[in-house]
Amino acid sequence: DAGITQSPRYKITETGRQVTLMCHQTWSHSYMFWYRQDLGHGLRLIYYSAAADITDKGEVPDGYVVSRSKTENFPLTLESATRSQTSVYFCASKNRGGNQPQHFGDGTRLSIL
Amino acid sequence: DAKTTQPPSMDCAEGRAANLPCNHSTISGNEYVYWYRQIHSQGPQYIIHGLKNNETNEMASLIITEDRKSSTLILPHATLRDTAVYYCIVRGDNTDKLIFGTGTRLQVFP
Repeated sequence: DAGITQSPRYKITETGRQVTLMCHQTWSHSYMFWYRQDLGHGLRLIYYSAAADITDKGEVPDGYVVSRSKTENFPLTLESATRSQTSVYFCASKNRGGNQPQHFGDGTRLSIL
Repeated sequence: DAKTTQPPSMDCAEGRAANLPCNHSTISGNEYVYWYRQIHSQGPQYIIHGLKNNETNEMASLIITEDRKSSTLILPHATLRDTAVYYCIVRGDNTDKLIFGTGTRLQVFP
């Protein structure tokens, strides 16, 4: 039962670099989500996707780009990383249906120097 | 989505029941109550959810008051591995977004 996996688990990069965080789920869930978690802010939604080729902004989308060409993958790209994007990033997925719960990956800890 | 209020922290002895309260006095008719927990450095883990009836699964029980303005998550026999931050979230079936608050930090002690 692979479920939802994120890679890499840890990443250190420099400001201005492009970095892509990967998320893969094996459940064929329609919906996928990206959150970031920072001290004092809890989890905040960055982007989400209701299906392949459909994406929408969440609470804090600035500085991030997403794509969803396949149902099972939902990569998150920081096109020009800034120190304020140092955070722990969580991907989640859920099945179609109004009350279905989201299921989360184990996160990517990203440090931007 | 309705706002939830939880105590910031609670303690529980190992083997005893842990009862975590949540207030959601502005909940509306189509909104579900979800519980997640987050163990240090891991992703949030789904526990249980309900609309108005009490629910039970292998992890926990969820008791929702008749007026639906509050609920209680019950871990029947807490273990040290249940030490985590527990989030109570209210979400309508017309939105896919979860809004996490600050949760309750449950400390289970030997």
